[in-house]
Amino acid sequence: QKEVEQNSGPLSVPEGAIASLNCTYSDRGSQSFFWYRQYSGKSPELIMSIYSNGDKEDGRFTAQLNKASQYVSLLIRDSQPSDSATYLCAPRAQGAQKLVFGQGTRLTINP
Amino acid sequence: SAVISQKPSRDICQRGTSLTIQCQVDSQVTMMFWYRQQPGQSLTLIATANQGSEATYESGFVIDKFPISRPNLTFSTLTVSNMSPEDSSIYLCSASAQRDYGYTFGSGTRLTVV
Repeated sequence: QKEVEQNSGPLSVPEGAIASLNCTYSDRGSQSFFWYRQYSGKSPELIMSIYSNGDKEDGRFTAQLNKASQYVSLLIRDSQPSDSATYLCAPRAQGAQKLVFGQGTRLTINP
Repeated sequence: SAVISQKPSRDICQRGTSLTIQCQVDSQVTMMFWYRQQPGQSLTLIATANQGSEATYESGFVIDKFPISRPNLTFSTLTVSNMSPEDSSIYLCSASAQRDYGYTFGSGTRLTVV
């Protein structure tokens, strides 16, 4: 079992709709969770972090965490073509410094 | 969050040679990391660069191949030694001032070994 699993996609969503990206992780000790966006040819950019069960909203982005089920998700409301990118999920285990990255979900927003 | 300057941005190197990649952070950071990202793949951690001590390498990566320096809290280098075409990849450094503040990435070094 991979440490962090994401559907590689591509995930195609019409403009204006909600894009839903999911991530499961195997380390129950994971405490912090980060979502990164990576445009083609660019380095990853941090867009959301979440530490507690429940939802965390930031603009059009909502991160959801369920530690009991070991999954974290990212919702993007009112999707725009500029949201087309690869989204990487990265948990950090308790007591650890490093992040472990999933393979990423490639998202395409269709005008 | 920290801003990281990474150089070179790209290079084409002959097999058997070495390349040193530099990362400079605009503020003191406790943690710095080096990743590799092969085309179409996710990020694989090479090592954690520890200030004042040897780097901590992940499984499959060794110091002789990827020596790392971290002389202070704002700077680190990664050397890719005795390169082969299999080392062609994007190399990224990452840093964080505090563990839960998120980790920032440099712009990456695109390495091609011929």
